[in-house]
Amino acid sequence: DAKTTQPTSMDCAEGRAANLPCNHSTISGNEYVYWYRQIHSQGPQYIIHGLKNNETNEMASLIITEDRKSSTLILPHATLRDTAVYYCIVRPPVNTGTASKLTFGTGTRLQVTL
Amino acid sequence: KAGVTQTPRYLIKTRGQQVTLSCSPISGHRSVSWYQQTPGQGLQFLFEYFSETQRNKGNFPGRFSGRQFSNSRSEMNVSTLELGDSALYLCASSSGRSGSTEAFFGQGTRLTVV
Repeated sequence: DAKTTQPTSMDCAEGRAANLPCNHSTISGNEYVYWYRQIHSQGPQYIIHGLKNNETNEMASLIITEDRKSSTLILPHATLRDTAVYYCIVRPPVNTGTASKLTFGTGTRLQVTL
Repeated sequence: KAGVTQTPRYLIKTRGQQVTLSCSPISGHRSVSWYQQTPGQGLQFLFEYFSETQRNKGNFPGRFSGRQFSNSRSEMNVSTLELGDSALYLCASSSGRSGSTEAFFGQGTRLTVV
């Protein structure tokens, strides 16, 4: 499985954009980048995923570099409720049969402050 | 629609005992995966069941087993409990079909072995 590297922790002021980087230099051509977050003692929550193009949904935006070796998750207006551990995961396509085996790293602990 | 339901939420067991945890996936989802989360090892994949068959397996001893029923509900069993089995056990459901992507996690069962 392709590995990811994320900063251990980050701080962000409430109302500002939170930009969470992720390096995945060994990603294969058909592997997706997924982001999940985990608020203390809850199950991980799906945020967004992408393959090559930038993606946006109601929660966040995902920017993937052209060489696909890194990506950035953007929370446009962070709130206190966004304080969580954010995991960047590289995942094979569903039709490979192993897509369900998510490999979580240590993630980035985002602290949103007033 | 209802999310992933895990029961019980909390459990205390004694070393040497066995335990069974239950997971009800989102209606229509046929894939259920199990994860163990500990402070030392983070989130680790245990196994995945799809249409009542184990499709993927992580690197855990044989004391950890599971099964899936025809209604897609899944159970996980740990026999001969050890202190190190104390963890948050999470289950995730997905449709498991090609083209479908994100996994949805339950709130977890917190197991304490004393």
